[in-house]
Amino acid sequence: DGGITQSPKYLFRKEGQNVTLSCEQNLNHDAMYWYRQDPGQGLRLIYYSQIVNDFQKGDIAEGYSVSREKKESFPLTVTSAQKNPTAFYLCASSPQGAGAYEQYFGPGTRLTVT
Amino acid sequence: RKEVEQDPGPFNVPEGATVAFNCTYSNSASQSFFWYRQDCRKEPKLLMSVYSSGNEDGRFTAQLNRASQYISLLIRDSKLSDSATYLCVLTNNAGNMLTFGGGTRLMVKP
Repeated sequence: DGGITQSPKYLFRKEGQNVTLSCEQNLNHDAMYWYRQDPGQGLRLIYYSQIVNDFQKGDIAEGYSVSREKKESFPLTVTSAQKNPTAFYLCASSPQGAGAYEQYFGPGTRLTVT
Repeated sequence: RKEVEQDPGPFNVPEGATVAFNCTYSNSASQSFFWYRQDCRKEPKLLMSVYSSGNEDGRFTAQLNRASQYISLLIRDSKLSDSATYLCVLTNNAGNMLTFGGGTRLMVKP
């Protein structure tokens, strides 16, 4: 089945540790996105990539890093520099690099940092 | 002012009721508009696009008012399964990025 997978579903880390969230898609989409969602708030864009080996900062990129070595994969690293990393992280992809149109989301990863 | 504003709710309605949500936006150059649905602790999914002429999909009707910069979603004959958070979403000037509202929570009671 085509879709986006994110793993793990729940992740717990100690403060000061870097953690990498996985995002894989087999939809052959060019564009991929990372968002975070906090309770009662809308999704905020962390990073996006419209093509392999290229990515751009979103609205809240500080404390995060990404890579796009393969079309199918767009991992997100939450570094120790991120002040409030506990959140729900959503990865998405869309079929056109230049047009967001419908974005397809993965099931998300809930990260808790203590 | 937030780019996209929604009443967070919750809207508590009985089954069979008609309920409407509004969403206001600040960027008059936004190109496209959507309603996404998000179930509790799940990912958002596209519910419907919103066109200037208004559009309907079964029990759901979406309207766009560019002059007043708001969009609306009307749900008729509410079902228990309609309980979710409804996100107002629009694109930026270039049409290549999405901006999400905080969502309106709907709870349909038996």
